[in-house]
Amino acid sequence: ILNVEQSPQSLHVQEGDSTNFTCSFPSSNFYALHWYRWETAKSPEALFVMTLNGDEKKKGRISATLNTKEGYSYLYIKGSQPEDSATYLCAFGRNYGGSQGNLIFGKGTKLSVKP
Amino acid sequence: KAGVTQTPRYLIKTRGQQVTLSCSPISGHRSVSWYQQTPGQGLQFLFEYFSETQRNKGNFPGRFSGRQFSNSRSEMNVSTLELGDSALYLCASSGTGEITRYNEQFFGPGTRLTVL
Repeated sequence: ILNVEQSPQSLHVQEGDSTNFTCSFPSSNFYALHWYRWETAKSPEALFVMTLNGDEKKKGRISATLNTKEGYSYLYIKGSQPEDSATYLCAFGRNYGGSQGNLIFGKGTKLSVKP
Repeated sequence: KAGVTQTPRYLIKTRGQQVTLSCSPISGHRSVSWYQQTPGQGLQFLFEYFSETQRNKGNFPGRFSGRQFSNSRSEMNVSTLELGDSALYLCASSGTGEITRYNEQFFGPGTRLTVL
């Protein structure tokens, strides 16, 4: 059974704080690691797709790093804003015969940013 | 481009009934995946359809089935509903070719199913 673990489960921060959370995934048969943002009452929205060890991606105040050898990815939010409040999901894409099999999702980290 | 749409958005059924959920992918997308989310769980993969064929299947009982039509629209059916089937069901579409390199998924808003 392939497990994707995210920590912490939830996080409460003040506006302006910087924060980070972790996604752990199997270190073998890696194909891609996806990050999604899921706001309440909306659809999950893709943030990043990361494919190479050492990858760093950035979108505005949000950035992510990837370590495929040890099987983890970090998501960072700099200067959190109330609109960053959401559940952040990571999903592991396993190498399945040279292409990507179905995504395996973690349970998410729920971020609440207080004004 | 219109996003992924799912109907209905909310549904209440009783145990033993069956239910059909519908998903219309983004225009041009040929792959549709279905997921179940229950409280405290991550998104659990149900199945994926591509060009009317089931390409991948998760670990769910045979009561859960699906199909895809020639226009890529997909339906999911759950027969003999159980209380534990109460969940948010999300569908996601991806790609325009048979191999979508990184399988970036575009999600619909979900159908909230309550089984009484």
